[in-house]
Order: sequence, then structure tokens, then C-alpha cells
Amino acid sequence: AQKITQTQPGMFVQEKEAVTLDCTYDTSDQSYGLFWYKQPSSGEMIFLIYQGSYDEQNATEGRYSLNFQKARKSANLVISASQLGDSAMYFCAIPRNYGQNFVFGPGTRLSVLP
Amino acid sequence: GAGVSQSPSNKVTEKGKDVELRCDPISGHTALYWYRQSLGQGLEFLIYFQGNSAPDKSGLPSDRFSAERTGGSVSTLTIQRTQQEDSAVYLCASSLVGAGIQYFGAGTRLSVL
Repeated sequence: AQKITQTQPGMFVQEKEAVTLDCTYDTSDQSYGLFWYKQPSSGEMIFLIYQGSYDEQNATEGRYSLNFQKARKSANLVISASQLGDSAMYFCAIPRNYGQNFVFGPGTRLSVLP
Repeated sequence: GAGVSQSPSNKVTEKGKDVELRCDPISGHTALYWYRQSLGQGLEFLIYFQGNSAPDKSGLPSDRFSAERTGGSVSTLTIQRTQQEDSAVYLCASSLVGAGIQYFGAGTRLSVL
């Protein structure tokens, strides 16, 4: 069964520095996707970045990038040049049963310090 | 609007009452998901609709919970005989296809007194 582990309940980073949020997963699917979402205090879930398991390149979207290590089953999110607005909960997710439902990790609360 | 719309944004009800939560997905999105998020917790999958296929109800916590999706668009999540443990934020998401990028609504915060 699919499972997501995010081992960092809370993280602090200084403004303008880079930060890595960990995500490891377990899946029996041969082909799958990994998603990262941000949830600010307003509560809305915002899609950040997607990585396909067969993508040869690590995904990047602006200041967000994924450090995808398929053999280790990890898909860590890297945020470069942190901004105060990056303070939020961050969730890693993987689809289960060909997308019939998704498994979300417990999340990491990131706090960016001025 | 262009995004997923949920209503109401807040709902306060008394224990034992029935409530209906509404979700308007993005036009053209075939997949629709409902999740529940308790305070400070992650997302708990409730139900999934994909096109005209039978919904995946495997996440519904009890038979007091039900959902329907009319015309492949608007969805309603109904909770009967609400209990205090039902208090949570209920999030709806839609995606163009199953296993695709999900776009979330702002959620409905349900408080059962």
C-alpha cells in the first residue's frame, strides 16, 4: 500500500536561504507521480510541483525543485531563496490505485525567519 | 470562476443535524475528490468521482457520510446526524484526469456543537 513519510514536523529557515523538505514514499506501482502542495494559514491547498517516476530530469518550477531519488524512494522539495510568504505547511502526495485516491503525508510546517 | 468553488465557507451546526457541503469543480475536470482535514492534521481521503464510473467510497468513515456528483460536475457531500468528531475542514479538489494535478477549493469549515 502507498505510504508517505515526512520526517520533519517543523522547519525553520532564514529568509533568502535555501531549505530542503524531506519526503519518502512507498509504492508498488511501476509508474507513478509525486506531488507537492503548499497550505498557507488561509487553508487553501496550492499545487507546487510534480515529478513523474520515469522523468529523467528532476522537476523544477521557479524557486521550487525536486531532488528525486527513485532507488531510495525519496522526493525532497528544495525551496531556494526563501521568502516570508513561503511560511506554510507543505505536503507530499502520491496517487493510489491509478488515481482513485491520493495518499498525503503528515506535512512539514516551514517557518521563514526575517 | 476559474477555480474550484466550495460552499458554504463556514458551517456551524448542532449535533444530530444533517449538513450538505457543495463543490463546484473546474469546468472540464473529470475527477473530483473530497478530503477531510482535522485541526493540525494531514488530509484524509473521503471519496473520489471519475467521469461516469462508480465512485470510490473507500474513505468514507461511516454510513452517515454520502456524496453525489450530478451531471459530472457539481458534487454534494452530505453528513447525516452530525457528531462532534465530524468537526473539520472539508476540502474538495478536481483534476483534469485521475492521478493528475489536483486543484483545491478553499474548503468548508464545519463546526458541530
